[in-house]
Amino acid sequence: NAGVTQTPKFRVLKTGQSMTLLCAQDMNHEYMYWYRQDPGMGLRLIHYSVGEGTTAKGEVPDGYNVSRLKKQNFLLGLESAAPSQTSVYFCASRTSGLGEQYFGPGTRLTVT
Amino acid sequence: SQQGEEDPQALSIQEGENATMNCSYKTSINNLQWYRQNSGRGLVHLILIRSNEREKHSGRLRVTLDTSKKSSSLLITASRAADTASYFCATDAGNQFYFGTGTSLTVIP
Repeated sequence: NAGVTQTPKFRVLKTGQSMTLLCAQDMNHEYMYWYRQDPGMGLRLIHYSVGEGTTAKGEVPDGYNVSRLKKQNFLLGLESAAPSQTSVYFCASRTSGLGEQYFGPGTRLTVT
Repeated sequence: SQQGEEDPQALSIQEGENATMNCSYKTSINNLQWYRQNSGRGLVHLILIRSNEREKHSGRLRVTLDTSKKSSSLLITASRAADTASYFCATDAGNQFYFGTGTSLTVIP
């Protein structure tokens, strides 16, 4: 099992460009999450999904959109990137609402 | 912000010593979890303690939870150089998680 994978690992964008980050899990988990991690801020939840076809806003959703068309994939989109979105993005999944989360290796995004 | 805070922000100890990190949080919780993050990597789950538990052990890890004070502590006994990492608490309030700001632990060989 690969666990949770994220694509790409690194990306540099110019202000105003768009991109999609892909998260995939092969553990048949229902719940999936997107976080961003900034220095000194810990992880903050952007959006999450409790099942295929469902999404919900987390703590810092502005500027991001998500989709969960397939159970194993959770996509994070930036429609018009801003320098404030420079961060490391982590995806995570878990089997239910009460268990541990499994994290991907992260995507380092720089917006210039 | 719903983020919790961890104390200390950084901790440096000698190999073999014990390391204690504290976490304070703001919301009601179902459980509290501790994660470890090595530099440049994703987070790895260490231990989970439910809201009706006060203490839990796993190997060299001991976690306590005081829901009346909204606080938790993580004790790592007999530390090793390989324990060098950042440690985060995460409160599980149902569908959402709130992570603390982390403690950076350095274990000196």
